[in-house]
Amino acid sequence: DAGVIQSPRHEVTEMGQEVTLRCKPISGHDYLFWYRQTMMRGLELLIYFNNNVPIDDSGMPEDRFSAKMPNASFSTLKIQPSEPRDSAVYFCASSPGLYTEAFFGQGTRLTVV
Amino acid sequence: RKEVEQDPGPFNVPEGATVAFNCTYSNSASQSFFWYRQDCRKEPKLLMSVYSSGNEDGRFTAQLNRASQYISLLIRDSKLSDSATYLCVVNGAYKYIFGTGTRLKVLA
Repeated sequence: DAGVIQSPRHEVTEMGQEVTLRCKPISGHDYLFWYRQTMMRGLELLIYFNNNVPIDDSGMPEDRFSAKMPNASFSTLKIQPSEPRDSAVYFCASSPGLYTEAFFGQGTRLTVV
Repeated sequence: RKEVEQDPGPFNVPEGATVAFNCTYSNSASQSFFWYRQDCRKEPKLLMSVYSSGNEDGRFTAQLNRASQYISLLIRDSKLSDSATYLCVVNGAYKYIFGTGTRLKVLA
């Protein structure tokens, strides 16, 4: 298995632009998580899905952030409009079950200038 | 109070030393516990799960104390390659909550 695949690996965008991050989870994993990592706040859970349904989005910072999972093999995290404080590494992770190991993608390093 | 708390370090230790990290959690209903390792500019990767009875994997030993709500990681005979950030992870309320990590640097 190729593991969790995220794209793009790096994204530099101007403030106010829309940014879309993509994730392909490991096949057969029922849970998908989006995390954001910064030096100041560490790894923060933004949202997670179970069988393509959003279960908990309490970590989504603002209405500018939205996430979708149209099918079992694809998810997006969108920021519109982006702001410099959104600069971070965004990780997607998937897991086969609730209490089992989560596998991470390589992350998307986002810079908003 | 944060849900999962760790000493950020850094812990600078010589090769061959034994080093231990602790992590406390606030949700007494937490069900599963892990230690992840993260190298600089890389994704977190599972180091080991933490079981109630404690578990060992080579030079690494993990312990869980439910009464005091903390988990620990012990690394024996430290290697240069152990230099990384170690993240404590607690699964409670159906989501994985990460500590901010403890940075370890093993010195030659």
